[in-house]
Amino acid sequence: ETGVTQTPRHLVMGMTNKKSLKCEQHLGHNAMYWYKQSAKKPLELMFVYNFKEQTENNSVPSRFSPECPNSSHLFLHLHTLQPEDSALYLCASSLYPGTNTEAFFGQGTRLTVV
Amino acid sequence: GENVEQHPSTLSVQEGDSAVIKCTYSDSASNYFPWYKQELGKRPQLIIDIRSNVGEKKDQRIAVTLNKTAKHFSLHITETQPEDSAVYFCAATASTGNQFYFGTGTSLTVIP
Repeated sequence: ETGVTQTPRHLVMGMTNKKSLKCEQHLGHNAMYWYKQSAKKPLELMFVYNFKEQTENNSVPSRFSPECPNSSHLFLHLHTLQPEDSALYLCASSLYPGTNTEAFFGQGTRLTVV
Repeated sequence: GENVEQHPSTLSVQEGDSAVIKCTYSDSASNYFPWYKQELGKRPQLIIDIRSNVGEKKDQRIAVTLNKTAKHFSLHITETQPEDSAVYFCAATASTGNQFYFGTGTSLTVIP
């Protein structure tokens, strides 16, 4: 285990549903990230939080809403998603963003929008 | 911002041969270059990294080289084994930045 835990591991939701993804780390890291990984596509950065403050929003549609209540927890709230949003959503953390330290990834949530 | 390009996108080698994956970056301020391996259905995991004050780093069968002048870095895997089959991502980040910039990934297949 790398210390980054994501729940749920799998999620199937309808386009009218509202659900949330959770990420938790107990590594003492101060930066947390959401990435989207679609089949045969590169990792797409969605959001960056540094000390609980959002420092990057990579032109993500408003149907994705992040929340970072503290440095250890990160949520991604989902509503009215589209089938093309089906992907693996990876959470990661690092000691600080942009410094010479490793990013640790969670195992991801496999999201299917039907 | 930083732009990281990675080649090739797919690579097949015979078991025992070497594999080389190359990445270029655009931001001269980038000073940390990690490589991640993602096996099928699993999370990306760091396998080796290099900092800008070093030109080469080796860990058993894996080595990474960095050319700061040319802004490119490469991953070298020698004596490849079937368990090396995975997707490999390079990344770059600067201490003044706020995120990791990933390459597009290389799907490596080692043929027994």
